[in-house]
Amino acid sequence: QVQLVESGGGVVQPGRSLRLSCAASGFTFSDYGIHWVRQAPGKGLEWVAAIWNDGNKESYADSVRGRFTVSRDNSKDTLYLQINSLRAEDTALYYCARGHSTSWHTLDYWGQGILIIVSS
Amino acid sequence: QSALTQPPSASGSPGQSVAISCTGTSSDVGTYDYVSWYQQHPGKAPKLIIYEVNKRPSGVPDRFSGSKSGNTASLTVSGLQSEDEADYYCSSYAGSDLGVFGGGTRLTVL
Repeated sequence: QVQLVESGGGVVQPGRSLRLSCAASGFTFSDYGIHWVRQAPGKGLEWVAAIWNDGNKESYADSVRGRFTVSRDNSKDTLYLQINSLRAEDTALYYCARGHSTSWHTLDYWGQGILIIVSS
Repeated sequence: QSALTQPPSASGSPGQSVAISCTGTSSDVGTYDYVSWYQQHPGKAPKLIIYEVNKRPSGVPDRFSGSKSGNTASLTVSGLQSEDEADYYCSSYAGSDLGVFGGGTRLTVL
């Protein structure tokens, strides 16, 4: 079955960097685009970034462009999110989610999420 | 990239139908038939229940249906059941490889 498992979260000081990972299994990873979505505590969902199946194209929300970098290693079935210059407003549960095969921004499978808390 | 507008809450009694609206603009909902709906129970990851306006993934009951008119999409839940109590989020393709979510609607089954 399709599984996405995030890791790499934790408590981090403002201004520091962090890299999240998302390990995929149960499907041909290199066939699918993958997205990152975050949810601040008690708040709604926010689309953050996406990367095409071959890793040659990325897209970012205006709110994170320039600080976040999404990448993938198809040989390891793993997605990454590099977050630089962390801010308090980046505190959230970060989900990785698979893009649907025929509808890019449809997210058909989600991980359980990984929490980042930005605090001094 | 402004968030889509959803009512913060909706409610209905078991067996009734309830509709949740999702209002965007001509740059997202109004132009693209790539509107999705997600159900999220407390402490759980979101689950896809509607995509491309009105398509249901395998395993999603036909009590859930979607539609769109102009800049507004809607999710209708018919024959409300207690397990439908959850948060519901719409999302849309917003052009230029960008996505946008709605603020979410908490559905209460009375």
